[in-house]
Amino acid sequence: AQSVTQPDIHITVSEGASLELRCNYSYGATPYLFWYVQSPGQGLQLLLKYFSGDTLVQGIKGFEAEFKRSQSSFNLRKPSVHWSDAAEYFCAVATYNQGGKLIFGQGTELSVKP
Amino acid sequence: DSGVTQTPKHLITATGQRVTLRCSPRSGDLSVYWYQQSLDQGLQFLIQYYNGEERAKGNILERFSAQQFPDLHSELNLSSLELGDSALYFCASSVGVGTEAFFGQGTRLTVV
Repeated sequence: AQSVTQPDIHITVSEGASLELRCNYSYGATPYLFWYVQSPGQGLQLLLKYFSGDTLVQGIKGFEAEFKRSQSSFNLRKPSVHWSDAAEYFCAVATYNQGGKLIFGQGTELSVKP
Repeated sequence: DSGVTQTPKHLITATGQRVTLRCSPRSGDLSVYWYQQSLDQGLQFLIQYYNGEERAKGNILERFSAQQFPDLHSELNLSSLELGDSALYFCASSVGVGTEAFFGQGTRLTVV
């Protein structure tokens, strides 16, 4: 069965430090992968997506992610974190052979220290 | 603003009652997805419609039902509500199948 694992439930980084959020997926075919961000009381905003092609994808707000098929990973990175990046981050895989529904990881809550 | 509109934003109701959540997808999007977000279960897929027809079903309870109308808006009906149904319910829409989905702001349902 398809699944997404985000090993880190909560991460705290200092403002200006670099960030990497981990995501591992289990999916039989070529995956469509996404990162979403959710601020408190808000909906989910799409940060970036990977469908095919270049394995390093750029997103909004200075985020990027790298697809590594050999490791079944799609880690999210940002070189310098801003206080406004504090939020919950969700990795997801789209099951395009099952209607395209998204399967989400449990999320990683990011706190930013001043 | 994602372009997906959900109403109402908040809903408080009693156990045993029935409620209807409404979703208007982005202009041009044919797929509508419903998700439930709770602290213990995380984000769970409920059901998907594509151009008016049910396309995929997830862990949706029999007390819950949904439909997509000819104008492509969708409604999620929750009946015989229980305390455990309290959650944030999200609607998302996409142009087709497997393309990126855009989420609404959600409806926070509280069952008392």
